[in-house]
This record gives sequence, C-alpha cells and structure tokens, in this order.
Amino acid sequence: QVQLVESGGGLVAPGGSLRLSCATSGFNFDDHYMAWVRQAPGRGLEWVSYISGSSLTKYYAESVKGRFTISRDDVHKTVHLEMNSLRVEDTAIYYCARDPTLGSYLNWLDPWGQGVLVTVSS
Amino acid sequence: DLKQPPSVSVSPGQSARITCSADTLPDHYTSWYQQKPGQPPVLLIFKDTEKSSGTPDRFSGSTSGTTVTLTISAVRSEDEADYYCQSYDTTGTLVVFGGGTKLTVL
Repeated sequence: QVQLVESGGGLVAPGGSLRLSCATSGFNFDDHYMAWVRQAPGRGLEWVSYISGSSLTKYYAESVKGRFTISRDDVHKTVHLEMNSLRVEDTAIYYCARDPTLGSYLNWLDPWGQGVLVTVSS
Repeated sequence: DLKQPPSVSVSPGQSARITCSADTLPDHYTSWYQQKPGQPPVLLIFKDTEKSSGTPDRFSGSTSGTTVTLTISAVRSEDEADYYCQSYDTTGTLVVFGGGTKLTVL
C-alpha cells in the first residue's frame, strides 16, 4: 500500500537550517505531485510547498518563499524540504502528502504521512 | 482565505453541516479532510462532491455559489474531529486551507 514516512525533524535555533525527507513506497513516485503541509501546535493546516512529477513546477507559500526549497529524488522515491533561516513561527508538524491523480497540476492530497515535528527555539 | 465556522455541535443522529466560503470557490475544486487528535488528515471529499474510497456514505459534499458544504448525516460519536476544506488562490496555483471546524458530538 502507499506509504509516506517523514524524517529529519528536530530542535533548531532561530536562523538555523533543517532538511526534511519523505520516503515513499507503494506507488509510481515519478508520476505524482508531492506536497508539504504544516500544522503549528494547536492550529490549523497550512500548505507549504508542492512539486510536480517532473520537478519543473514548484510553488511555495508566501510565508516560506525564499527560505524553503522543495526537491525530489525519483531514484530513491523521496521528496525533500530544505528549510533555511528558520523562525520561531516555523515550529510545526510537517506533513508530506501525495496527489493521487495524474493531472497537470496539484489536485487533492491522499494519503498523508504521520508527520515530523520541527521546533525552532533558542 | 477560505472561511469556515470555528465550531459546530450536534447530537448523535442529527445532521451536521460545515461550510467553506470564498469568492474563488466557483472557479476551483474543493476538497475536505478529517483530522482526529494526534493523527494526520484524511481525505474525505474531492472535486467538491466526490467521496474518497473509504469515506462513509453519511458524508457528502455540495456546492452553491461561493460556498461549499460538507454534510454529515446521522452523526456518530466517532465523527468528532476537525474538518478542513482546501482549494486554491485566485491564480489556481497556490493551495489554500480553511481555518478548520471542530465538530463536537454532544
């Protein structure tokens, strides 16, 4: 079955960097858009970024643009989120999610990984 | 922004309606997700009205103008969760989530 497993979270000081990874299995990774969505403690969902199957299309939320970079490794079926210049307000659970369709843009997200916690604090 | 009521409360067996409003909704599909405490979100509805596999029949989606609605008929205690709508910005490229609605089953 489709599985998404995030890793790379942890505690980092403001201004620091982290690289999140999402290892996938159970589907043809190359064909699907992948996304990162985060959820600050006690708050709602916030879309962060998504990437097309070809890596040609990448979009970012304004709150992370210029600081975060999404990428994918089709050989290892993994999507990454490089996070730089981290701020306290980036503290959240970061979820990786797949678009199950084979369209030319991101549609909906299913399934989601269990998430990984990123804490930005001094 | 997608506007959702912060909370909805219903008794078991009643219907619950959770709305999501924005001027952009007529132009783009909306999806709905259910999130229970400590768990990742789960897709319930996509393309405004279509049920994901595994979504119980009591869940349905509808749309009217700038508002889309998730209806849960004959609510059960296990439906107590947070519900989020998801669509796109005016350009159709940036993903947007509603603020979420906490459904309480009395």
